[in-house]
Amino acid sequence: EVQLVQSGAEVKKPGESLKISCKGSGYSFNIYWIGWVRQMPGRGLEWMGFIYPGDSDTRYSPSFQGQVTFSADKSINTAYLQWNSLKASDTAIYYCARQRRMVTTSDAFDFWGLGTMVTVSS
Amino acid sequence: DIQMTQSPSTLSASVGDRVTITCRASQTVSDWLAWYQQKPGTAPKLLIYKTSNLESGVPSRFSGSGSGTEFTLTISSLQPDDVATYYCQQYYSFSHSFGQGTKLEIK
Repeated sequence: EVQLVQSGAEVKKPGESLKISCKGSGYSFNIYWIGWVRQMPGRGLEWMGFIYPGDSDTRYSPSFQGQVTFSADKSINTAYLQWNSLKASDTAIYYCARQRRMVTTSDAFDFWGLGTMVTVSS
Repeated sequence: DIQMTQSPSTLSASVGDRVTITCRASQTVSDWLAWYQQKPGTAPKLLIYKTSNLESGVPSRFSGSGSGTEFTLTISSLQPDDVATYYCQQYYSFSHSFGQGTKLEIK
């Protein structure tokens, strides 16, 4: 069974750093792109970008380029989303999701994690 | 970036009704279009990929059609379990943008 298990909710202060995780199981983690999607409170879905765990190739939405960093550790089937300096506007649920077909980025997301709620408040 | 616009933003219909949600792209996305369902407090769920292909396990009352810049998601007979917000997503361009969502309610 394919699963993406995300790390737990976080409460941080503005300016702090944070790294959240997404661990895949039940499939060949290295050969499927993993995407990240933001959902701000009461709002819609925003595509942030992808990472290919096999070689850590990354693609960022222009809206998120320079604001976050994607990384992956293929030895433990885990992808990460990182901030160096959080802002209150980063408060949101962050989902990781798997591309439906292996290797390509040109597909929909077929499996999703449950999401990680990140709250940034002073 | 390709902008995706859904209409209506909110839709109220009765059980058994045929429901249609429209998604328009600011430029062609060919047939690289997906639909997701998100129930409150849960992660999105893939319903349809490549415009009209039903994801495994999705009830056959859901269907998708369209091409280029205009797409529709149809529920042939609305059920109480279909209360959710529905999103389209294009994956034709570099940035795989989502529509703003359509909230579906039961009358």
